[in-house]
Amino acid sequence: RKEVEQDPGPFNVPEGATVAFNCTYSNSASQSFFWYRQDCRKEPKLLMSVYSSGNEDGRFTAQLNRASQYISLLIRDSKLSDSATYLCVVNPMDTGRRALTFGSGTRLQVQP
Amino acid sequence: DVKVTQSSRYLVKRTGEKVFLECVQDMDHENMFWYRQDPGLGLRLIYFSYDVKMKEKGDIPEGYSVSREKKERFSLILESASTNQTSMYLCASSPGMGSARKYFGPGTRLTVL
Repeated sequence: RKEVEQDPGPFNVPEGATVAFNCTYSNSASQSFFWYRQDCRKEPKLLMSVYSSGNEDGRFTAQLNRASQYISLLIRDSKLSDSATYLCVVNPMDTGRRALTFGSGTRLQVQP
Repeated sequence: DVKVTQSSRYLVKRTGEKVFLECVQDMDHENMFWYRQDPGLGLRLIYFSYDVKMKEKGDIPEGYSVSREKKERFSLILESASTNQTSMYLCASSPGMGSARKYFGPGTRLTVL
């Protein structure tokens, strides 16, 4: 079983739609969680951290469910510029030294 | 703004060649990482370094080595390139312990013929 699993998509949605991605992780001791965004042929960039209480950044909402070991990303009012691959990322140990574990990504295509 | 640069965007090499991929960061970060990214497999950690001359194996170190002689520079070496090392290679850096945020370079797409 992969440490971090995501539906690869693609998710094809119209502009203005709300879309949600889930991601499951296998290591119950994982300490911190992130969503990264990767545009086509570009490097990954941090989108947002995921906190236990859930957190929001504009149109983006991230949530963590430790009991079921999954995290989610909700995008409201989708824009064309949201088209990208969204990587679910888990830090197995909260030290910062050990590298993050990346999911293989969920591709989102927002259509006009 | 943090900048991580990689020596080449595209590289084509032949089987058996020795390949050097270089990465430089300008923010005095302690930690540096090399990943490869393949379709359906995501980013996989090859090696990382948390200090000059220190290195640790990641999840897939076989066929690779690294060098960190200066804090800002982290090199990935393919001693004898093979076709299964054709991939996108991404370098990343992060500040000291406690920071899990990674800053990535633009990547090097390596093709081994």
